Amino acid sequence: GENVEQHPSTLSVQEGDSAVIKCTYSDSASNYFPWYKQELGKGPQLIIDIRSNVGEKKDQRIAVTLNKTAKHFSLHITETQPEDSAVYFCAASKTSYDKVIFGPGTSLSVIP
Amino acid sequence: NAGVTQTPKFQVLKTGQSMTLQCAQDMNHEYMSWYRQDPGMGLRLIHYSVGAGITDQGEVPNGYNVSRSTTEDFPLRLLSAAPSQTSVYFCASSRLAGAYEQYFGPGTRLTVT
Repeated sequence: GENVEQHPSTLSVQEGDSAVIKCTYSDSASNYFPWYKQELGKGPQLIIDIRSNVGEKKDQRIAVTLNKTAKHFSLHITETQPEDSAVYFCAASKTSYDKVIFGPGTSLSVIP
Repeated sequence: NAGVTQTPKFQVLKTGQSMTLQCAQDMNHEYMSWYRQDPGMGLRLIHYSVGAGITDQGEVPNGYNVSRSTTEDFPLRLLSAAPSQTSVYFCASSRLAGAYEQYFGPGTRLTVT
């Protein structure tokens, strides 16, 4: 089955700097890659996703890149702010009627 | 819309006791799933359902049962609780399985002593 790895497990950056989180997946048939943000005491929420027919997607300060050949994808957060501090999860699935498998998560701390 | 609701928020069980974690959604979503979250382990899929009457095992199904008799509800049953099942449990739903946003409930913190 699918296996998703994620690095680093913890990340500290100064406010205003960029943060990058990287994930790899094992199943070459996976073609949907969402990223979720979990704030303390809450359930995860989708922040951005990418499908396999696209190499990069941006939404304001957040971008995701996908390399299908290497089976890895990354989350980039620019101009980080204290409210970006949270746990971030990557995930992978196939498009139809398939379960979603999550990576182990990255705890991001943005230092004011 | 209430979204995804979970009850209870907190629960303490003794080893060997049974209980059911409740999950309900009011968005008419076909796909529902249960995850457990442990420190350093991320979100691990326990069971999932692609529609009423259909369930399947995830990554860590042992010790848990599910059923899906209606579109709205997806309860998770612990038949004989063990300390290894101490965790935070999240229920999630999405319009369909696969490439759709999942909406998570607020979680249930379970402690087994």
